[in-house]
Amino acid sequence: KAGVTQTPRYLIKTRGQQVTLSCSPISGHRSVSWYQQTPGQGLQFLFEYFSETQRNKGNFPGRFSGRQFSNSRSEMNVSTLELGDSALYLCASSGQGAVNTEAFFGQGTRLTVV
Amino acid sequence: KNEVEQSPQNLTAQEGEFITINCSYSVGISALHWLQQHPGGGIVSLFMLSSGKKKHGRLIATINIQEKHSSLHITASHPRDSAVYICAVIAGNTPLVFGKGTRLSVIA
Repeated sequence: KAGVTQTPRYLIKTRGQQVTLSCSPISGHRSVSWYQQTPGQGLQFLFEYFSETQRNKGNFPGRFSGRQFSNSRSEMNVSTLELGDSALYLCASSGQGAVNTEAFFGQGTRLTVV
Repeated sequence: KNEVEQSPQNLTAQEGEFITINCSYSVGISALHWLQQHPGGGIVSLFMLSSGKKKHGRLIATINIQEKHSSLHITASHPRDSAVYICAVIAGNTPLVFGKGTRLSVIA
């Protein structure tokens, strides 16, 4: 069974640009969650999608958005990039995304904003 | 809001040593995850538990719901165990809340 796949693995963007990151969950998983990891803040929850609907949202500005497609693949978009958006972005998939469900993480996309 | 505290922040051990990493949280939870992150960035889920104890190879995770505390033990540590270990909790249908992680270095 293939794991969670995130693309691209590395990305360099300029301040003010926008970026789209992709996450393909494990086959059959319907929940995809996105996280931001920075040295100062650690891992923080961005949002979760389940069956194409955003089910939970973290405390991030509106520049951060996401969506999920009918095949459960998810994308997140960050517009008007700021230097502070430089981080490792991780996604995780789970079968139901409900309580007591194990999450499987991808390798992450390392975004550098210059 | 759940606060998750891990200790120690950094840990250096000699190969073969028994290692314990602790995690405390402030609010009742439904489940707790122990995650491992290697320098490349990818995260591997080691355990998910809501009570008692789980064992996988040289790794053991325990949780005490009443005391709001969990421990991750590594027996006969090896340099390949060097990684950041992260505790994360889930309460109700709220998203995962993460600890800051414990950076473990095992020296041969």
